[in-house]
Amino acid sequence: DTGVSQNPRHKITKRGQNVTFRCDPISEHNRLYWYRQTLGQGPEFLTYFQNEAQLEKSRLLSDRFSAERPKGSFSTLEIQRTEQGDSAMYLCASSWGDSTNYGYTFGSGTRLTVV
Amino acid sequence: DQQVKQNSPSLSVQEGRISILNCDYTNSMFDYFLWYKKYPAEGPTFLISISSIKDKNEDGRFTVFLNKSAKHLSLHIVPSQPGDSAVYFCAASAPGTGNQFYFGTGTSLTVIP
Repeated sequence: DTGVSQNPRHKITKRGQNVTFRCDPISEHNRLYWYRQTLGQGPEFLTYFQNEAQLEKSRLLSDRFSAERPKGSFSTLEIQRTEQGDSAMYLCASSWGDSTNYGYTFGSGTRLTVV
Repeated sequence: DQQVKQNSPSLSVQEGRISILNCDYTNSMFDYFLWYKKYPAEGPTFLISISSIKDKNEDGRFTVFLNKSAKHLSLHIVPSQPGDSAVYFCAASAPGTGNQFYFGTGTSLTVIP
């Protein structure tokens, strides 16, 4: 396992369309996190899972955003009815347990452009 | 609300000299801090961490210092190398939040050969 994998790397979509991104964490990691990064800003936490349970989702940006991790392995982040303001880099990270000593590792991200 | 702040957007340092990157935070509940390095078109790469029970942590050329009373941490890179040129982010989390990290806006470091 070479790390956290995110697909696609780039996505261009028209305003109003739905998009879905996938994240495959490091296989032994039970926690998975989604962040968003806009230009000139640091990553902004969105949501996280422990195994298949979504333990925090209040920081998702709107009800157009949703995430799943159905079998406790890969996760998907969906944005419905995309808006130009959704253009950003979407980052996934994974870790083992509650300790950041156990490798809080980011993927390379999915860059979304809404036109 | 920006709970983690990096007030220097950029820093230039000569190769071989020390780079000092600073970070301030406002939330006194933060107890774990990370530094990440980011190259363009890549995700952040973990560099070094520090827990609030310590005031210093070293890993090779990288040392992080934590001043809890001032709510300030800094990353020292000695000696700086051209390959260190990247954007550096500090991040902080509070206990019981499941490792949700708050990030600063980053400092772009350029190491001049």
